[in-house]
Amino acid sequence: SQQGEEDPQALSIQEGENATMNCSYKTSINNLQWYRQNSGRGLVHLILIRSNEREKHSGRLRVTLDTSKKSSSLLITASRAADTASYFCATDARDSSYKLIFGSGTRLLVRP
Amino acid sequence: EAGVAQSPRYKIIEKRQSVAFWCNPISGHATLYWYQQILGQGPKLLIQFQNNGVVDDSQLPKDRFSAERLKGVDSTLKIQPAKLEDSAVYLCASSSGLAEYNEQFFGPGTRLTVL
Repeated sequence: SQQGEEDPQALSIQEGENATMNCSYKTSINNLQWYRQNSGRGLVHLILIRSNEREKHSGRLRVTLDTSKKSSSLLITASRAADTASYFCATDARDSSYKLIFGSGTRLLVRP
Repeated sequence: EAGVAQSPRYKIIEKRQSVAFWCNPISGHATLYWYQQILGQGPKLLIQFQNNGVVDDSQLPKDRFSAERLKGVDSTLKIQPAKLEDSAVYLCASSSGLAEYNEQFFGPGTRLTVL
């Protein structure tokens, strides 16, 4: 079963606007990761935030984590057409396997 | 550094046939993962190897799916016999080891269509 649920399922914005995607999960985690998947390509790791961190930045990406609400958000600022992709959050299983459990994803369309 | 390699990229078979997928992880990566991604969903872990040992295969349908990583390097995933619901993209990923903060690197995937 999938732990994370992204919201919204789909998002369409104009180039230059900001895009915000949310992720909710169910159980305790060690870390939460965000991945991007372009059409026809594999997943690419974007950013990892640890359970003791509240906010993290990487270029145009900003991730927040609220462990009390079991939620995270990914903000992409000044979006570009190349940001068009599906975005997934993934949480670790917090057992000895360290396996990742992916959410259902947000499909982002950035219109030129 | 070469990425995770997978083959074939596409495969079309009829139900009840068999199919095999191959994955070569990044050199030196001890941990290898196989995921199934059904259209419109996130990837679901099927099996995880640490070197040539299985760490987790709790979501692998063992009556029809099998996987091996005999020499602790490349791996094969087999489906026998295939069902219509096996149509999906099969992703292979690798990481340097078992740890909390290991990034997983994904291959391009194999898109399987079962008719």
